[in-house]
Amino acid sequence: GNSVTQMEGPVTLSEEAFLTINCTYTATGYPSLFWYVQYPGEGLQLLLKATKADDKGSNKGFEATYRKETTSFHLEKGSVQVSDSAVYFCALSVGGANNLFFGTGTRLTVIP
Amino acid sequence: EPEVTQTPSHQVTQMGQEVILRCVPISNHLYFYWYRQILGQKVEFLVSFYNNEISEKSEIFDDQFSVERPDGSNFTLKIRSTKLEDSAMYFCASSVGLEGTQYFGPGTRLLVL
Repeated sequence: GNSVTQMEGPVTLSEEAFLTINCTYTATGYPSLFWYVQYPGEGLQLLLKATKADDKGSNKGFEATYRKETTSFHLEKGSVQVSDSAVYFCALSVGGANNLFFGTGTRLTVIP
Repeated sequence: EPEVTQTPSHQVTQMGQEVILRCVPISNHLYFYWYRQILGQKVEFLVSFYNNEISEKSEIFDDQFSVERPDGSNFTLKIRSTKLEDSAMYFCASSVGLEGTQYFGPGTRLLVL
């Protein structure tokens, strides 16, 4: 079936630290991969996406590379800020279907 | 910037009662979705809706659930007879097209007692 596994949280980092949130997937077809972010009191927002192997999605200093050989789409940022504190969700969709499969979310807290 | 809105933000209900969760999708979007997240678990797809009918639904979306677009702006999820296990955060989303980015609302937290 289709599923996403992402690292358990919460994650607490100091400002300017390096961030990695791991995400691996299983899919019945060729998936598109996404990272969504949810800031407090807001809806899930698309952070970045990649639609084929070796594509790198990037936005706001975050990036993730679609690795078909390891079925992974890990989220990274070189230097986090307090404003990056949020819950991050990895997700996939398959074959143009319009339903997304999400991971459980990882809460990131960045302290000054 | 246009956004998806949901009401109420929180709802508490008794088991067996009917609830209606409301969403206002982004105005030029054609596809509408409901997802839910039980505390500590994954966000799960429930249903998608296009052209006034359900286009896909998951096995979670059984006969106790229904969706409706009663007018040109609202999109509702009705749970006919709530169960304890329906307690969750319910997210509405919308997209312009079938493979377009889905824009999510802030969610409605439903608690069934």
